Amino acid sequence: DVKVTQSSRYLVKRTGEKVFLECVQDMDHENMFWYRQDPGLGLRLIYFSYDVKMKEKGDIPEGYSVSREKKERFSLILESASTNQTSMYLCASSSSGAGRPYEQYFGPGTRLTVT
Amino acid sequence: QKEVEQDPGPLSVPEGAIVSLNCTYSNSAFQYFMWYRQYSRKGPELLMYTYSSGNKEDGRFTAQVDKSSKYISLFIRDSQPSDSATYLCAMSAGQGNNRLAFGKGNQVVVIP
Repeated sequence: DVKVTQSSRYLVKRTGEKVFLECVQDMDHENMFWYRQDPGLGLRLIYFSYDVKMKEKGDIPEGYSVSREKKERFSLILESASTNQTSMYLCASSSSGAGRPYEQYFGPGTRLTVT
Repeated sequence: QKEVEQDPGPLSVPEGAIVSLNCTYSNSAFQYFMWYRQYSRKGPELLMYTYSSGNKEDGRFTAQVDKSSKYISLFIRDSQPSDSATYLCAMSAGQGNNRLAFGKGNQVVVIP
């Protein structure tokens, strides 16, 4: 079974802090994604990566950056956390090859509260 | 117009009823269609996966794709309280584009 893990289930940070969210997948997937999920707005793509050291902006990249130094790990960075970044953050991965193309496997999510 | 429209209104049904969910889309290039189920405080998990048009059945779940109308549906027969969750549709055009376009999700509550 594919496993996507995220470093924290719940996180509380103060405004202005630098925040790191870590995601690890164990299926050798090429593609990794960071979303945020808010009531009434659904899932919104922040950034994604299709290879090590490669990244592409999603629909709402402002205020975020990412890092992918190893294939299995994709980090989301909030350079200076703000209250409007309070949200559920979901990491996902997918394969470009065999199996069901474009199927994404999700982690359990990190609920981040910025006070 | 958003690529994928899913009326996000909550849905409450009695146990044993049929649940019907649907999404419409505007991008005629979409050919991979998925339904994800998300339990409260968990990540989404794939429920149904369909390529191109047609029906797919898996136990109590049926997914339908009508590409001519740009309309997909998910039916849950004999609904159970354990089906209470948010259901999101997702789709991809494929051709190397690894992004999925998601609907906003429907919260379904099955009342015992």
